[in-house]
Amino acid sequence: DVKVTQSSRYLVKRTGEKVFLECVQDMDHENMFWYRQDPGLGLRLIYFSYDVKMKEKGDIPEGYSVSREKKERFSLILESASTNQTSMYLCASSFPGGGTDTQYFGPGTRLTVL
Amino acid sequence: DAKTTQPNSMESNEEEPVHLPCNHSTISGTDYIHWYRQLPSQGPEYVIHGLTSNVNNRMASLAIAEDRKSSTLILHRATLRDAAVYYCILISRGSNYKLTFGKGTLLTVNP
Repeated sequence: DVKVTQSSRYLVKRTGEKVFLECVQDMDHENMFWYRQDPGLGLRLIYFSYDVKMKEKGDIPEGYSVSREKKERFSLILESASTNQTSMYLCASSFPGGGTDTQYFGPGTRLTVL
Repeated sequence: DAKTTQPNSMESNEEEPVHLPCNHSTISGTDYIHWYRQLPSQGPEYVIHGLTSNVNNRMASLAIAEDRKSSTLILHRATLRDAAVYYCILISRGSNYKLTFGKGTLLTVNP
């Protein structure tokens, strides 16, 4: 079974702190994704990566950066956390399939910024 | 990206079939129809996908209209563990693998 793990289930940080969210997948997937999920807004794509050291902006990249130094690991970085970044963050991975690819999601990290 | 329309919520009784509809009238010929679901306090999980023909797997069946402008996810015998938000998503063959989640359908299963 594919496993996508996220470093924390719950995280509380203060405004202005630098925050790292880690995601690891064990299926040698090329693609990895970071989403945030907010009530009433659904899931929105922040960034995705289709190879090591490659990244592309999603729909809401402002205030975030990402790092992918190894194929299995994709990190989301909040350079200076703000209260409007309080959200559920979901990581996913997939093998590219030209429209047929299936994304496997981690359990999520609920981040609260005070 | 082509959009999908789903009812906000549906209710079912345990062990009865459930038909979850999705409209996608602007679907293009290269769009695959995917279904995901999200159980409470969990990340979304893949359910099924198809292009033109009906599809079956161990979780569900997908019935696709002949004109492809609508589809229906069928859970043959709903259980309490099927209570979740179900998302119908279109993925284009050349889409950069992006999933665009709408609001989905909240399925309630009554015992």
